[in-house]
Amino acid sequence: SQKIEQNSEALNIQEGKTATLTCNYTNYSPAYLQWYRQDPGRGPVFLLLIRENEKEKRKERLKVTFDTTLKQSLFHITASQPADSATYLCALESGGYQKVTFGTGTKLQVIP
Amino acid sequence: DGGITQSPKYLFRKEGQNVTLSCEQNLNHDAMYWYRQDPGQGLRLIYYSQIVNDFQKGDIAEGYSVSREKKESFPLTVTSAQKNPTAFYLCASSGDNYGYTFGSGTRLTVV
Repeated sequence: SQKIEQNSEALNIQEGKTATLTCNYTNYSPAYLQWYRQDPGRGPVFLLLIRENEKEKRKERLKVTFDTTLKQSLFHITASQPADSATYLCALESGGYQKVTFGTGTKLQVIP
Repeated sequence: DGGITQSPKYLFRKEGQNVTLSCEQNLNHDAMYWYRQDPGQGLRLIYYSQIVNDFQKGDIAEGYSVSREKKESFPLTVTSAQKNPTAFYLCASSGDNYGYTFGSGTRLTVV
């Protein structure tokens, strides 16, 4: 069956370090993958989209990689700040017009 | 500012009642979606619509109904057939850039 795995354990890192979050998937062949940020009690906010033919995408302090052989995406936040503390969700294209399936998310805590 | 408006923010439902959650967007997006989020679980797709007057069931459509009479509006009705409706409900839309824009959510509680 199709599965998206994000580390359910919270990730705690020191301010200024690089945070790396992982999204693994099985039985999908997504044309693209997305990353979102969600704060408590709020809707997710779209951050980045990476297509299957792209290895890496950057936006300011964010970097996403997409390895279709390993079936894995890595999401990096460089020079992390306490304001980056949130839950980060990956979402995979799953057939149908712009239809995606979301992972359960990883909670990131940046410690001052 | 363009965006998605969900209302109400909090909703309380009595057993056996139908309730309707509102979702309005002014982004001119064709596609709209309803998700349900429970603690410790990912977003689960209830219904989605790619165009006006058309919609498809998602993974957990039982006990829910929708309509898409206008491009801007995609209301969700939680019927009495939904046995465990307490959850956080999120509406989203998507356009040419494929990224979803979400509303701020409605928290539904059964009393």
